[in-house]
Amino acid sequence: AQSVTQPDIHITVSEGASLELRCNYSYGATPYLFWYVQSPGQGLQLLLKYFSGDTLVQGIKGFEAEFKRSQSSFNLRKPSVHWSDAAEYFCAVGLTGFQKLVFGTGTRLLVSP
Amino acid sequence: EAQVTQNPRYLITVTGKKLTVTCSQNMNHEYMSWYRQDPGLGLRQIYYSMNVEVTDKGDVPEGYKVSRKEKRNFPLILESPSPNQTSLYFCASRPSAYEQYFGPGTRLTVT
Repeated sequence: AQSVTQPDIHITVSEGASLELRCNYSYGATPYLFWYVQSPGQGLQLLLKYFSGDTLVQGIKGFEAEFKRSQSSFNLRKPSVHWSDAAEYFCAVGLTGFQKLVFGTGTRLLVSP
Repeated sequence: EAQVTQNPRYLITVTGKKLTVTCSQNMNHEYMSWYRQDPGLGLRQIYYSMNVEVTDKGDVPEGYKVSRKEKRNFPLILESPSPNQTSLYFCASRPSAYEQYFGPGTRLTVT
């Protein structure tokens, strides 16, 4: 069955430090890949997406993600974290022919001063 | 402004009392979905609709109903809510290739 794994439930990063959030998926074909962010009490905002082409994808708020087919991964990165980045981050996979996104369980990012 | 709206945003109800959560989008999207979000489980799809009068079950449809009589609206109906349906619910719509636009969420508590 298709699945998305975010192995880190919580991550704490110092403000100004770099960030990498991990995402691995299990799917037989090349999926459509997404990262969403959910701030406390808010809905989900799309950070970036990968459909095809360049495997390094730029998103909003200074985030980027790299699709690595050989590792079935789509890790999210940011070179310098700001306190406002504290939120929960969800990786999601869109499956060809399926009318849904399959979400990971999320990683909560805490930013320390 | 392009958006997905949900009402109510917060709801506390009692077991067995029928309720409806409304969802509306102004982007003329064909595809709409309902998800529920639970701690440690991420988001799971409840129902989806590919167009007016075309709906199908997602991963966790038990206890829910939907209808799609107009393109812009996709209400979620709980005929007899139970405490295990206490959750955060999101409506979403998309034009075609999987990029979904989410509403602000409805936090439901069933006592």
